[in-house]
Amino acid sequence: RKEVEQDPGPFNVPEGATVAFNCTYSNSASQSFFWYRQDCRKEPKLLMSVYSSGNEDGRFTAQLNRASQYISLLIRDSKLSDSATYLCVVNPNYGQNFVFGPGTRLSVLP
Amino acid sequence: DTAVSQTPKYLVTQMGNDKSIKCEQNLGHDTMYWYKQDSKKFLKIMFSYNNKELIINETVPNRFSPKSPDKAHLNLHINSLELGDSAVYFCASSLRQGSSYNSPLHFGNGTRLTVT
Repeated sequence: RKEVEQDPGPFNVPEGATVAFNCTYSNSASQSFFWYRQDCRKEPKLLMSVYSSGNEDGRFTAQLNRASQYISLLIRDSKLSDSATYLCVVNPNYGQNFVFGPGTRLSVLP
Repeated sequence: DTAVSQTPKYLVTQMGNDKSIKCEQNLGHDTMYWYKQDSKKFLKIMFSYNNKELIINETVPNRFSPKSPDKAHLNLHINSLELGDSAVYFCASSLRQGSSYNSPLHFGNGTRLTVT
């Protein structure tokens, strides 16, 4: 089993749609969780950190379920500019190693 | 601007050559990384340095040698380049782990290496 797994995608959704991405991780001792977005031929950029209580940033909501080792990202009212690959990132411990999921590609269509 | 900057952005070279990629960050971070993103877009860690000390060294051929002259710089030297080394190499930095908050990674804009 891979350390971090994500929905295979791609997701093609119309503008204004709500889309949810799922991510699971195998190391139950993992401490920190993040969602990154990566545009084509660009570097990954932090979208948001994921906290145990769940957190929201505008149209984006992240949830963490430690018992199920599951992380989610919800995007409401999708915009064309949300088209990108979304990467789930887990820091298994304080040993400074970040593990990336394979990413889920999102295309928001007009 | 505060950032992670790496050079060059593009590198095209022939098999067997030796090349270097430089990385610098002015974010005040003390941990730096090299990641490789292959043609399937999967990001994998190669090396991590904390305050010039090697912390993580994944199963990378010893043709790859990182060098950290100080905590703001982490360079990557590659000897005897092979076709399979073609990929995008990303430098990144973060604050020291071990505190209650794990600082996220900040990436450079990548070096696209093509070996012909």
